[in-house]
Amino acid sequence: GESVGLHLPTLSVQEGDNSIINCAYSNSASDYFIWYKQESGKGPQFIIDIRSNMDKRQGQRVTVLLNKTVKHLSLQIAATQPGDSAVYFCAELVDTGFQKLVFGTGTRLLVSP
Amino acid sequence: SQTIHQWPATLVQPVGSPLSLECTVEGTSNPNLYWYRQAAGRGLQLLFYSIGIDQISSEVPQNLSASRPQDRQFILSSKKLLLSDSGFYLCAWRRIGLAGGYTFGSGTRLTVV
Repeated sequence: GESVGLHLPTLSVQEGDNSIINCAYSNSASDYFIWYKQESGKGPQFIIDIRSNMDKRQGQRVTVLLNKTVKHLSLQIAATQPGDSAVYFCAELVDTGFQKLVFGTGTRLLVSP
Repeated sequence: SQTIHQWPATLVQPVGSPLSLECTVEGTSNPNLYWYRQAAGRGLQLLFYSIGIDQISSEVPQNLSASRPQDRQFILSSKKLLLSDSGFYLCAWRRIGLAGGYTFGSGTRLTVV
């Protein structure tokens, strides 16, 4: 079956540090991946995406890395700020006749001032 | 610009009572619509998706149903709620034919007592 999972349920960092959140996926046919940020009591918000024909994509303070060989995805946040504290989900676009996003269980990022 | 509205924000319902959660999308036409459920501290589970009016697909067997009476309206319902129906319900939309992630509503926190 398809699954997307995360290695670390909680990540605690100090303000200003760089954060790395990891994710493993199982569907080697997936060609599109997304990272979402979810703050408490709110819906997930799109952070950054990457297609399988890329290894790396950068946004503002965020970078997503894709390693298709080991089916691994990571989200790097530079100079982490207290406002980055949230739960982060990776999601994989799966096509089973209808495209749908399959989400991982999430990693909680705690940023201490 | 496109917006998605979801209501109510919170709901406390007794076991055995009916449920109706509504989601509407503005600024777009013919979107793919989704209902997700998120248990406390967990990831997002896809419940239903719709590619058009009255076209609903269910992902998991459950006590819930969905309807799409209008192009931009998606309703999640139950005739008799169970304790296990408690959770955070999220509606999302995606443009048909364009790659990209989903845009989520703000969610409804349902507590069945």
